[in-house]
Amino acid sequence: DVKVTQSSRYLVKRTGEKVFLECVQDMDHENMFWYRQDPGLGLRLIYFSYDVKMKEKGDIPEGYSVSREKKERFSLILESASTNQTSMYLCASSFSPDSSGNTIYFGEGSWLTVV
Amino acid sequence: AQTVTQSQPEMSVQEAETVTLSCTYDTSESDYYLFWYKQPPSRQMILVIRQEAYKQQNATENRFSVNFQKAAKSFSLKISDSQLGDAAMYFCAYRNYGGATNKLIFGTGTLLAVQP
Repeated sequence: DVKVTQSSRYLVKRTGEKVFLECVQDMDHENMFWYRQDPGLGLRLIYFSYDVKMKEKGDIPEGYSVSREKKERFSLILESASTNQTSMYLCASSFSPDSSGNTIYFGEGSWLTVV
Repeated sequence: AQTVTQSQPEMSVQEAETVTLSCTYDTSESDYYLFWYKQPPSRQMILVIRQEAYKQQNATENRFSVNFQKAAKSFSLKISDSQLGDAAMYFCAYRNYGGATNKLIFGTGTLLAVQP
């Protein structure tokens, strides 16, 4: 089974702290994604990466950065956490798409509360 | 830009009954994929069903089927013989065909309750 593991399920951080959310996948997927999930807004794409050291902004990248030094690991970084970044963060991964439309696999999510 | 709209924030169904969740989308592309994902309280997002836009036949997976109306840009999910385990948040999602990545665009979700 494909496994996408998010290292922290629940975090509480203080305003201004630097926060790292880690995600590891074990299927040698090229693509990795970070989404943010908020009630009434669905899932919104923050950043994605299609290869090691490659990254592209999603729809809401402000206040976030990412790092992909190894193929299996994709980190989301909040340089200076703010209360409006309190949310559920979902990591996902997939192979590069082919004509069959590859499935995207999700982690269990990380609940971040910024106080 | 593509958008996905789910107009039903919450739905309820009796166990063993049938329920239909609505989804509309907007795109100028002719080739794309549509998905329904299920997110139970455990939060693990699970793929329920997938539809390729170039296929006229509606996708079916056991008790789950879709009604794909390409001209109307509508993609509804029908759950037959509803079970308590079907209670979850359901997300409709869109992805362009091809390209270097396959990022999904999600709707806002429909919370489905199943009444015993």
